[in-house]
Amino acid sequence: DAGVIQSPRHEVTEMGQEVTLRCKPISGHDYLFWYRQTMMRGLELLIYFNNNVPIDDSGMPEDRFSAKMPNASFSTLKIQPSEPRDSAVYFCASRETGYNEQYFGPGTRLTVT
Amino acid sequence: DAKTTQPPSMDCAEGRAANLPCNHSTISGNEYVYWYRQIHSQGPQYIIHGLKNNETNEMASLIITEDRKSSTLILPHATLRDTAVYYCIVRVAYSGSARQLTFGSGTQLTVLP
Repeated sequence: DAGVIQSPRHEVTEMGQEVTLRCKPISGHDYLFWYRQTMMRGLELLIYFNNNVPIDDSGMPEDRFSAKMPNASFSTLKIQPSEPRDSAVYFCASRETGYNEQYFGPGTRLTVT
Repeated sequence: DAKTTQPPSMDCAEGRAANLPCNHSTISGNEYVYWYRQIHSQGPQYIIHGLKNNETNEMASLIITEDRKSSTLILPHATLRDTAVYYCIVRVAYSGSARQLTFGSGTQLTVLP
């Protein structure tokens, strides 16, 4: 298996622009997680899905952030409009029911200027 | 989830055992101890988890004290590639809680040649 796939790996955009981050979980995994990592706040859980349904989005910082999972093999995290304080590394992770370990993707490094 | 305390940094000589401590004095009876690590510029990686018995896998060993208030992750023969931030996480397994994994600040392990 190729593991969790994220794209793009790096994104540089200007303030006010829309940004879309993409994730393909490991096949067969029914949980998908979006995390954000910054030096100041560490690794934070933003939202997670179970069987494509959002279960808890209380970690999403504000309405500018939205996430979707249209099918079991694809999820997006969208920021509109983006702001410089959104600059961070965004990780996607997945796991399978009945197993404890989460598998993380390589992350997307977002820079908003 | 119980709070964990880890030293901010540790050094270890290559080829020697690395022993990473974690305090979790408020751990509940149904909470597991998980260890993840994050190598620079990569996503976190699952290492091992346990409830009360010592556990061993191909990566590491986990020693949990009898009172379960602390644990130690042991990398038996550390290599330069083990240089990473190591996170100790305590949580209920398979719970429906929103905070599936809460990452603290971890321990930066540096393996020295």
